[in-house]
Amino acid sequence: AQTVTQSQPEMSVQEAETVTLSCTYDTSESDYYLFWYKQPPSRQMILVIRQEAYKQQNATENRFSVNFQKAAKSFSLKISDSQLGDAAMYFCAYRTFYAGGTSYGKLTFGQGTILTVHP
Amino acid sequence: DAGITQSPRYKITETGRQVTLMCHQTWSHSYMFWYRQDLGHGLRLIYYSAAADITDKGEVPDGYVVSRSKTENFPLTLESATRSQTSVYFCASRTGGGHGQPQHFGDGTRLSIL
Repeated sequence: AQTVTQSQPEMSVQEAETVTLSCTYDTSESDYYLFWYKQPPSRQMILVIRQEAYKQQNATENRFSVNFQKAAKSFSLKISDSQLGDAAMYFCAYRTFYAGGTSYGKLTFGQGTILTVHP
Repeated sequence: DAGITQSPRYKITETGRQVTLMCHQTWSHSYMFWYRQDLGHGLRLIYYSAAADITDKGEVPDGYVVSRSKTENFPLTLESATRSQTSVYFCASRTGGGHGQPQHFGDGTRLSIL
């Protein structure tokens, strides 16, 4: 079974600065997907970024980028030019590549990291 | 508007009571999921469904029952609520086509069991 670990329960950053959230995972699979979700106080789960394991290029979405280290099984999220609206709980999640079979494409989540942004 | 909706948003009930959380999606997604969110555990899968009348257990299914008679609905029932089931519950759905399609989440139901 896959496991996902976020070792930073809380992080803080000054507005306009850069912060990196860590995520490690354990799997025996070679192909899979990794996701970062943002959960603001409104409780919504918002997809931030997605990475396919078979792609060596790190995914980017505007101010959000990842550092994907497949051999190290590491998937960190970098937020550049942090904004007050970035304050939220961030979850790292793993999904097996094949969506059918017994996995049904279910997500395995890390414990979450609370990000505080200081003005 | 199209999307995934959960109801109620908040619910307080007592131990031993039966409670049903509703989930409705308008995308005709094949896959639907129920998760619970607890501090220190992230989100954990309770049950999932690949299509109408096809459901299976996730990581923490004990004490929960699901059904899926229609593609768009996936209710979660706590047959005899216990305090350990106090949590925030999320429903999610995903299209069956293609790889890597993300799950879309409802806004969650905060359930308190006294």
